[in-house]
Amino acid sequence: NAGVTQTPKFRILKIGQSMTLQCTQDMNHNYMYWYRQDPGMGLKLIYYSVGAGITDKGEVPNGYNVSRSTTEDFPLRLELAAPSQTSVYFCASSYPGENTEAFFGQGTRLTVV
Amino acid sequence: ILNVEQSPQSLHVQEGDSTNFTCSFPSSNFYALHWYRWETAKSPEALFVMTLNGDEKKKGRISATLNTKEGYSYLYIKGSQPEDSATYLCAFRGGSNYKLTFGKGTLLTVNP
Repeated sequence: NAGVTQTPKFRILKIGQSMTLQCTQDMNHNYMYWYRQDPGMGLKLIYYSVGAGITDKGEVPNGYNVSRSTTEDFPLRLELAAPSQTSVYFCASSYPGENTEAFFGQGTRLTVV
Repeated sequence: ILNVEQSPQSLHVQEGDSTNFTCSFPSSNFYALHWYRWETAKSPEALFVMTLNGDEKKKGRISATLNTKEGYSYLYIKGSQPEDSATYLCAFRGGSNYKLTFGKGTLLTVNP
């Protein structure tokens, strides 16, 4: 049972480069989320999606884009990488409903130099 | 922006001590309150999802309570063990949206 899978695990980018962080889940969850984790700051929501074709901004969306063409996949795109985007990124998913927990991927550590 | 606060920020206890930490959240438009355990170099894992005022949940030596009217939840660990060392996160979900907003966490270190 794979759960939530993120790739890559690590990446170093140069300023101005672009990349896509991949996230896929095999639990048929409607809701998917992207968070970034900075030291001492907890998890900040970047974007979220409540189903295929629907996405919405979280607290810190600037510099990122997402798409949700299928239930399984929720890629996060960085178009022009900046040092401020150095962080650990977590993808998560859950079912709808009040009693449902979120399941997290293993994280992607991104460094922009 | 929703305000989800956790205290203390960090905590050091001795093996065998019991401990507790607090999560405070908006008392209006409540939908659910989550607790997660996050070990270093791993991803967060859910402990509890709580939805009703007065809820109490328990898993082994860990338990949690919920007060939605005043906007707080407590997490208790009885007889702490070194393997309990982790960051404990709470997350709030409001009724009108699907966002899960996290606090900054409480870092617990249990010394043998």
